[in-house]
Amino acid sequence: DSGVTQTPKHLITATGQRVTLRCSPRSGDLSVYWYQQSLDQGLQFLIQYYNGEERAKGNILERFSAQQFPDLHSELNLSSLELGDSALYFCASSPTPSGGNEQFFGPGTRLTVL
Amino acid sequence: AQSVSQHNHHVILSEAASLELGCNYSYGGTVNLFWYVQYPGQHLQLLLKYFSGDPLVKGIKGFEAEFIKSKFSFNLRKPSVQWSDTAEYFCAVKRPGGKLIFGQGTELSVKP
Repeated sequence: DSGVTQTPKHLITATGQRVTLRCSPRSGDLSVYWYQQSLDQGLQFLIQYYNGEERAKGNILERFSAQQFPDLHSELNLSSLELGDSALYFCASSPTPSGGNEQFFGPGTRLTVL
Repeated sequence: AQSVSQHNHHVILSEAASLELGCNYSYGGTVNLFWYVQYPGQHLQLLLKYFSGDPLVKGIKGFEAEFIKSKFSFNLRKPSVQWSDTAEYFCAVKRPGGKLIFGQGTELSVKP
């Protein structure tokens, strides 16, 4: 158990819908990273937040957005879903904005778009 | 384009065989390197990391990796694999700001 929690574990939805994935970082960690793992793209960095502020963006679609709340949990919002958005979405946390010595990964949310 | 490459997509070994998984990266300058493992149905766990110093790094569960700067490589090794090592292995480079750039992953299947 890494100390990072993600809900829900599984999510099945239809094309065109909107979903919200939630991540709670390890106690004391201020940085949250979101990654997408898909069969064709592998593991890709999406976005990073540090203490409520967006720090870095990767290959994140305009249909996707994220935020980090004052209690440091983060939400990833995916809208106008397409079949290709089906993937495993991980969040990771670290204590510092630069990633520290290690990022600790949550169990992931498996999104299936039908 | 700058990237991380893992040479083997799927490796099949018998128990007690030796393992070496290749990883090359194309980023210049100082690099922080990681190997993560993902057991079936589980989250990514850190096996080992290299930041500086001794280029031979020892990790958990008997794994080690060697950083060869001139070859831009960070290969993972284990002298004798076990059935429980069956998993997917990811090499990663940490970029400024902390984001990790991952290789494509290598699926290891160990036959008992």
